[in-house]
Amino acid sequence: GENVEQHPSTLSVQEGDSAVIKCTYSDSASNYFPWYKQELGKGPQLIIDIRSNVGEKKDQRIAVTLNKTAKHFSLHITETQPEDSAVYFCAASDSWGKLQFGAGTQVVVTP
Amino acid sequence: EAQVTQNPRYLITVTGKKLTVTCSQNMNHEYMSWYRQDPGLGLRQIYYSMNVEVTDKGDVPEGYKVSRKEKRNFPLILESPSPNQTSLYFCASSLSGGAGTGELFFGEGSRLTVL
Repeated sequence: GENVEQHPSTLSVQEGDSAVIKCTYSDSASNYFPWYKQELGKGPQLIIDIRSNVGEKKDQRIAVTLNKTAKHFSLHITETQPEDSAVYFCAASDSWGKLQFGAGTQVVVTP
Repeated sequence: EAQVTQNPRYLITVTGKKLTVTCSQNMNHEYMSWYRQDPGLGLRQIYYSMNVEVTDKGDVPEGYKVSRKEKRNFPLILESPSPNQTSLYFCASSLSGGAGTGELFFGEGSRLTVL
């Protein structure tokens, strides 16, 4: 089955700087890669996703890139703000349509 | 308001005392699933249901049961809880097709402690 590795496990950034979270996956047939944000005391919420037929997708300050050859994808947050502090999960959908999550990254944005 | 509702949000229980965590969604979603979240392990799928009366095991089903008698409800049952089931549990739903085909909507979580 699919195996998703996520790095780093914690990330501290200064407000206004950029944050990058990286994930690798094992199943070359995976074709859907969502990112979820979990705020304290809440359930995860989808913030952006990408399918395997595109290499990059942007939504305001958030972007995701996908390298199918290397089997890795990344989340980029620019101009970070305190409200970006949260746990972020990457995920990959394997050839059976089953979603496998990474272990999560705790992002802390310091003023 | 479209939402996934879980109850209870917090529960402390003792080993062996059967408990049920309820989950209900009001979005007419076909697919529902239960996850547990543990530090350093991310979200691991316990059971899922593609539709009414159809359920299947996820990655960590041992010690859990589920049922899907109605489209909106998907309770998680711990027949004889043990301390290793102490965790944060999330119910999630999506429109159709399974978790890998579209957005998952999560409940706010149920923190379970088994003493």
